[in-house]
Amino acid sequence: DAEITQSPRHKITETGRQVTLACHQTWNHNNMFWYRQDLGHGLRLIHYSYGVQDTNKGEVSDGYSVSRSNTEDLPLTLESAASSQTSVYFCASSEAVAGADTQYFGPGTRLTVL
Amino acid sequence: DAKTTQPPSMDCAEGRAANLPCNHSTISGNEYVYWYRQIHSQGPQYIIHGLKNNETNEMASLIITEDRKSSTLILPHATLRDTAVYYCIVRVRSSYKLIFGSGTRLLVRP
Repeated sequence: DAEITQSPRHKITETGRQVTLACHQTWNHNNMFWYRQDLGHGLRLIHYSYGVQDTNKGEVSDGYSVSRSNTEDLPLTLESAASSQTSVYFCASSEAVAGADTQYFGPGTRLTVL
Repeated sequence: DAKTTQPPSMDCAEGRAANLPCNHSTISGNEYVYWYRQIHSQGPQYIIHGLKNNETNEMASLIITEDRKSSTLILPHATLRDTAVYYCIVRVRSSYKLIFGSGTRLLVRP
């Protein structure tokens, strides 16, 4: 069955280190998204992509970057991890259909920055 | 972009219908209403979406008022496993982005 996976599921790192979170989907969806979720907040959009070589900033993009070299993957990189980036990160994908857009989410990565 | 307003929490008894309201008074004519839920620690799960007509699937029913300014998600026979945060979202018109609000925390009581 088609699915969306994230790795690692849990990660502990130190302040200042570069960290990359992986997201892989097998639906062949054009659109992919990264969100973060913190206690007391809903999901906030970090970056998104509408296709290969396309990337866009979301509402909380500072300190994060993405690149899209193929349809299946959208890795999220924290260039220099900060304690404020301790969070749960969710990846999602959707098919590019005009009007309706159903996003399917991965299981999440819990990141702790010490 | 249309914003949504939901009650912060609700509860219902197991086996009864759960009716979750959502106001989206600034919705535009071509914007869809989506419902997702998030069970503790898991990724959000898609439930249903609609434009103007009522919709039903194996999980729930979505009732949208005629003026489209509000909607109700109905879980016909709530179970304990339906305890979750439910998000009502209006799709951003100019893109495929979904903007999540704070949602409604539904507690299903035994």
